[in-house]
Amino acid sequence: AQSVSQHNHHVILSEAASLELGCNYSYGGTVNLFWYVQYPGQHLQLLLKYFSGDPLVKGIKGFEAEFIKSKFSFNLRKPSVQWSDTAEYFCAVLLDSNYQLIWGAGTKLIIKP
Amino acid sequence: DTAVSQTPKYLVTQMGNDKSIKCEQNLGHDTMYWYKQDSKKFLKIMFSYNNKELIINETVPNRFSPKSPDKAHLNLHINSLELGDSAVYFCASSQKNLGTGELFFGEGSRLTVL
Repeated sequence: AQSVSQHNHHVILSEAASLELGCNYSYGGTVNLFWYVQYPGQHLQLLLKYFSGDPLVKGIKGFEAEFIKSKFSFNLRKPSVQWSDTAEYFCAVLLDSNYQLIWGAGTKLIIKP
Repeated sequence: DTAVSQTPKYLVTQMGNDKSIKCEQNLGHDTMYWYKQDSKKFLKIMFSYNNKELIINETVPNRFSPKSPDKAHLNLHINSLELGDSAVYFCASSQKNLGTGELFFGEGSRLTVL
């Protein structure tokens, strides 16, 4: 069955540290890839997405993600995190077979000031 | 204006009761969804409606019944609530069939069944 795994459930970093959150999926067909973020007390919102073209995509607030097809990965990165990045991050994969979004379990990121 | 709004945000009720959660979107989207987020934070789709027509109906108990009176509204009614129904329920909308791939979410409704 198709699945999305986010390896780290909790990540704690200090401000200015670099961030990389892992996301791997299991599906052999064509995919579209997403990262969503949920700030404390707010709704889920789109951070960035990959449909086609340059596998390195840039999103809001200085985030970027790289699609590595051979590794079935779409890791999220930010060179220098801020306290305001404290949130829960969800990776999602849209399958071309049934146009359903498959979600990872999320990674809770806490940035220490 | 809130794009996707759902009410109530919090709901505490006893086992066996019937409750509803309402959702409205003002984005002009054709497709609306209900997701359940369990205690492990997995988001699982429950239902999807496209222009009032049910298009996704995952394996959920038939105690859960969605209703879409028009394409801007998708309500969720739950009969005979059970402890395992405790979760956060998210409503979302998108362009038809996830055209741009972006979902717009409501803030969630946290249901606690005692």
